Order: sequence, then C-alpha cells, then structure tokens
Amino acid sequence: LAKTTQPISMDSYEGQEVNITCSHNNIATNDYITWYQQFPSQGPRFIIQGYKTKVTNEVASLFIPADRKSSTLSLPRVSLSDTAVYYCLVGETGANNLFFGTGTRLTVIP
Amino acid sequence: DTEVTQTPKHLVMGMTNKKSLKCEQHMGHRAMYWYKQKAKKPPELMFVYSYEKLSINESVPSRFSPECPNSSLLNLHLHALQPEDSALYLCASSQDYPRGGADTEAFFGQGTRLTVV
Repeated sequence: LAKTTQPISMDSYEGQEVNITCSHNNIATNDYITWYQQFPSQGPRFIIQGYKTKVTNEVASLFIPADRKSSTLSLPRVSLSDTAVYYCLVGETGANNLFFGTGTRLTVIP
Repeated sequence: DTEVTQTPKHLVMGMTNKKSLKCEQHMGHRAMYWYKQKAKKPPELMFVYSYEKLSINESVPSRFSPECPNSSLLNLHLHALQPEDSALYLCASSQDYPRGGADTEAFFGQGTRLTVV
C-alpha cells in the first residue's frame, strides 16, 4: 500500500483558496489518488480523483506533478461549511482505495 | 439513487447482547464494505464483500460477524462486544472490487453510532 502523509490540521479564512498537500512517495504505476471529505458523525463523501496532471470538478481541483509522489487538493473560496476532515487515499493496483490515512482537519474561520 | 442507508442510526447495547447493523444500497454495486471509526480517527477497514462473497477480513475479532444476504444488503452481527468497540460503524459500496484501470468512488452511509455499556 502507498502510505500517505498529510498535515494534521489547517486553518483558513472564509473566501480564501485552500491547498492541502498529500505525500505518497511509494505510489505504484497503476494507483489512482482519491480525496474524500468527512463532516462530524457522517460518512466520508467523494470529492475528486485523478491519476496525473490536473483534474477539476465543480467543487475542487487536484494537482498531481509528473513524478506523482504528491498531490494537492485545491478548494477555491472556502466557506464555513467546508470545515471538515479531508482524506487522501492511494489505491493498490487493481484494487479500490480502501485505506484511509490520518486526514487533514480543515477549520474555516469567519 | 446514490444512497447507502444504514440502520439503526444509534444503538446502545450491553456486553451480553446480540444485535445487528444493517446496510442497504440500490445502485447495483457489487462491492460492499464495513468500516469502524473511533472519535477523531480515520475510518478503519473491517470487511469487504465482492459479489456477495467475503473478500477481505482485516483480522477483525469474531464477535463481529458480517453477512451479505444479497447484492443490496450487508449486515454486521454483534455479540459479546466490549466497551472499546463503541464507535461509528460505516457501511460503503462501490461498483466493483477489485477494479482494474480507472478507479471509481465509494459511497458511504451515515453510519451507526454504537455504544457498548
């Protein structure tokens, strides 16, 4: 399994762009990178997934450099409702992304 | 319908009780999962079912017994639990397991908050 490392916590003011970086030095060739968001007492929710370069959807962007040893989740103009824990997962070849790392607790401040 | 439904939402049980957690999805997913999550910790994988067969058991104690009666339902039978088993139990489903090529997302339920007294 490609182990992931994320900052334990981050604070940001409302309206700012937030970038959360995840390190995965041992990522395998066929691994994908997936990010989930979790609010207290709720199940995680899929945010975005990518393999290389840049992926963007309606809620976030995911930047993956050429060596794929890290990835950055970018949340544009965060609001208070973005306060949550964000998990980066990297999957084994042919398998789901099943194993959660420690996650990053994002707190958005008014 | 992209929902995974878990019942009950809350459960309090004694150490000698037998209870079951239930999970249901109607997305046609063939993989279903149980996770355990303690406060301020990440979800920990317990079991994976693929096509109604147990594929992964992450060395979970036998007091937790999973069951997959059909492709839409997943149960977790609980017996002789300990207070340290108190946690949020999450069910998830995805299109398939294992997957080759492009990966897809897992859908999680809201969880069952279990308290063992």
